[in-house]
Amino acid sequence: SQQGEEDPQALSIQEGENATMNCSYKTSINNLQWYRQNSGRGLVHLILIRSNEREKHSGRLRVTLDTSKKSSSLLITASRAADTASYFCATIYGSGNTGKLIFGQGTTLQVKP
Amino acid sequence: DADVTQTPRNRITKTGKRIMLECSQTKGHDRMYWYRQDPGLGLRLIYYSFDVKDINKGEISDGYSVSRQAQAKFSLSLESAIPNQTALYFCATRDRGYTGELFFGEGSRLTVL
Repeated sequence: SQQGEEDPQALSIQEGENATMNCSYKTSINNLQWYRQNSGRGLVHLILIRSNEREKHSGRLRVTLDTSKKSSSLLITASRAADTASYFCATIYGSGNTGKLIFGQGTTLQVKP
Repeated sequence: DADVTQTPRNRITKTGKRIMLECSQTKGHDRMYWYRQDPGLGLRLIYYSFDVKDINKGEISDGYSVSRQAQAKFSLSLESAIPNQTALYFCATRDRGYTGELFFGEGSRLTVL
C-alpha cells in the first residue's frame, strides 16, 4: 500500500492545549495535504505543503514537512472543543497533475472542554 | 446547494443486489474520485476519472464498476453487493491544477445485509 501512516491513532487533550499529529509516507511526493473530518461527514481540506517547503502556517495550524524522513506533522495550537474531529494526511503519488491522492489512516482528536 | 452531491445518503440492501451510488458536482472540475472509508483503515481509492473517456482503477476496484456519464456525474456500482462492502463511500472532485485539493461530498453510507 502507498498509504501514509499517522501517529497517534487517537489523541485526547484539554481545551487550550496544543495537539500534534504525525504522518509518515513511503515514496517521493509532490505535495502533502491535511484534511479534517467531523464525525460521519465529508473531509474538508485544511492545508497543503509542497515538497520544496519545510513549514507552513494557517491560523492556528502549523504544518512541517521533512522529506528526508518522509514525514509531516500537524500542530493545532490553543485547541478548542470544536477542533474535535479526525485528521488525515494525504499525498499525491505520480506526476502532480495526474497523480492519485492517497490518504493515511487518520488521527482521531478529542478536545475536552 | 452543496458543490458535490451524493445520492443516496444512506442505503440498506441485501447480499447479491445491484447498487448504484451517484455523484454530481457543480464545481466544473474534470477529475472525480470514489473512495471507501472503513473504521481504522482511512480512505481507500476505488476508481478515479480524469475526464469522460479516462477512467482508472484505484487501490480496491474489485467488485466495483464506475460510469462517467458527463463531466459533472460519476457513478459507482456494486454489481452484486456483499457484506464486506458495507462502508461509507465518498465522492470527491479536483481541479486540473497542480494543487490537488479534493472537494468531498457528504458521503453515502451503505449497509449490505
